[in-house]
Amino acid sequence: AQSVSQHNHHVILSEAASLELGCNYSYGGTVNLFWYVQYPGQHLQLLLKYFSGDPLVKGIKGFEAEFIKSKFSFNLRKPSVQWSDTAEYFCASPYGQNFVFGPGTRLSVLP
Amino acid sequence: SQTIHQWPATLVQPVGSPLSLECTVEGTSNPNLYWYRQAAGRGLQLLFYSIGIGQISSEVPQNLSASRPQDRQFILSSKKLLLSDSGFYLCACQLREGAEAFFGQGTRLTVV
Repeated sequence: AQSVSQHNHHVILSEAASLELGCNYSYGGTVNLFWYVQYPGQHLQLLLKYFSGDPLVKGIKGFEAEFIKSKFSFNLRKPSVQWSDTAEYFCASPYGQNFVFGPGTRLSVLP
Repeated sequence: SQTIHQWPATLVQPVGSPLSLECTVEGTSNPNLYWYRQAAGRGLQLLFYSIGIGQISSEVPQNLSASRPQDRQFILSSKKLLLSDSGFYLCACQLREGAEAFFGQGTRLTVV
């Protein structure tokens, strides 16, 4: 089975600070991994996705994530956050017909 | 590209009343469909998924049921709502196994 965990429940940063949100998964086989963002009051939107190939994946809005197989990790990064990045971030991975989400990390960016 | 329609956007229902939330998908065929619930400040809980018409799998025992009467229609129902059914309900579709999921706008249900 697959489980997805996210280290941080709530992260608070000032604008222009660098961001790294942790994500770990459990399944030892081939995995596809995703990061989603949910802005306040809105639905989930796909930030980036990893299927195979280059372990460094670039997504929208300046986000990137690195797949490290040996660490079962897929951490999300952004060099300089903006106030508009305030949102909840979810790491996810499909498993069979299921689609497993982590518990989410709330990011608050202070202006 | 696919579009997911979910309605209504908000709903306030009394305890004990029935529920029907509808989700339809455009722009694709034979998708995997999902219903998730998101409680305030919490993650997403998978309620049901469907790989085809009439094929429903449930992840957790609950007061809700789901049906897929057509390929691109997924309905979430309840005969009698409980206070604990309040939450944000999201419909999602996946075009093929292993691919990303796309989400509808969600329905915010408040049971009073």
